[in-house]
Amino acid sequence: DQQVKQNSPSLSVQEGRISILNCDYTNSMFDYFLWYKKYPAEGPTFLISISSIKDKNEDGRFTVFLNKSAKHLSLHIVPSQPGDSAVYFCAASRGGADGLTFGKGTHLIIQP
Amino acid sequence: KAGVTQTPRYLIKTRGQQVTLSCSPISGHRSVSWYQQTPGQGLQFLFEYFSETQRNKGNFPGRFSGRQFSNSRSEMNVSTLELGDSALYLCASSLWSGVATDTQYFGPGTRLTVL
Repeated sequence: DQQVKQNSPSLSVQEGRISILNCDYTNSMFDYFLWYKKYPAEGPTFLISISSIKDKNEDGRFTVFLNKSAKHLSLHIVPSQPGDSAVYFCAASRGGADGLTFGKGTHLIIQP
Repeated sequence: KAGVTQTPRYLIKTRGQQVTLSCSPISGHRSVSWYQQTPGQGLQFLFEYFSETQRNKGNFPGRFSGRQFSNSRSEMNVSTLELGDSALYLCASSLWSGVATDTQYFGPGTRLTVL
């Protein structure tokens, strides 16, 4: 049973536009959420995180929104750049008690 | 500061063999977690070690084991390899254990192919 779901395996966005990546979770015990970015032949790189006590966290071009009632989070990238082309993983944590639970990833392709 | 390093980067084994993978965490990091990435299941948590003790374990059979040394370096072992064990094995390090806000930094992974 997948507790963290990324329903879009891939997403294509034009350079300069906004990229929105979505993630849903089912376990209400999750209280910390993260986004990782992964290039081929490299390990995932931490991008941004959000605690369940917040509904928004911003870091430069990246903003994560959390809707606890809908058990949904999204990552916004504005403006999208060619270097943003990668696989993005949504991950969740239960207060650090267990390892991270990951979604299966969304392959973001930024088109020139 | 050097990142997380994993050796070897690529490995080919046959069914029934056993394999040992190594991970060196970022200097000063005491927690090491292992994950398995496959196309079908995605990234799944294997186990975490902190101060040479296994702190958490994912839902994997006992053929998967690990250990951590006093310098925080960690090894994972898979015995009696099966075809389904073919995967990318990722190691991640963090300063502490059990702190959600403590970022996990990943190594490049070891690509294991079981023939």
